[in-house]
Amino acid sequence: QSVLTQPPSASGTPGQRVTISCSGSSSNIGSNSVYWYQQFPGTAPKLLIYRNNQRPSGVPDRFSGSKSGTSASLAISGLRSEDEADYYCVAWDDSLSGRVFGGGTKLTVL
Amino acid sequence: EVQLVESGGGVVQPGGSLRLSCAASGFTFSDHYMDWVRQAPGKGLEWVGRIRNKVKSYTTEYAASVTGRFTISRDDSKSSLFLQMNCLKTEDTAVYYCVRDNYGLDVWGQGTTVIVSS
Repeated sequence: QSVLTQPPSASGTPGQRVTISCSGSSSNIGSNSVYWYQQFPGTAPKLLIYRNNQRPSGVPDRFSGSKSGTSASLAISGLRSEDEADYYCVAWDDSLSGRVFGGGTKLTVL
Repeated sequence: EVQLVESGGGVVQPGGSLRLSCAASGFTFSDHYMDWVRQAPGKGLEWVGRIRNKVKSYTTEYAASVTGRFTISRDDSKSSLFLQMNCLKTEDTAVYYCVRDNYGLDVWGQGTTVIVSS
């Protein structure tokens, strides 16, 4: 069981807005930044969002992140077929003194 | 070009050891914390551990699942990161990624595969 809880799957149609949730606790999301990663099958993950809501250079502004209390969300607007991938949230956990990942969410574009 | 290239993966018997290496290029390796992250077949990502830079005395932290068995080290003169894995278990079978820790895990290697099997 992952320390951070994500829905195992999400879906949407092209052009739609989809959100993926990430639930944690006071020792991780509640007190540290959240990061989001995108991973296509057979490839290394890619940083999508850092420090809760910041986008690295090159990441489209269709991707946005937010955090409130012990939960965080990744939103993808204007959904495209190429967004079909696995998405992971990550945060530092003060109690465990380590990074904790969510279990991942498989996004399907219908 | 910023790049991380892992090597050293392979097949090892339970209880055995393996040492993974990661060669960094295109950035000032010594400035950065570095992490190892792994992914078991068909599973999600799992953080293995990290090593800080010289300023932070090269201190290390590990996931509970590998503490006491795995050791992360680095050689800044060679821009290299290492993961010494001892007492390997079948559940350590995974792709192991070397990752730069810079406002998030922002640069990933292509991964090297470790299979623990008898």
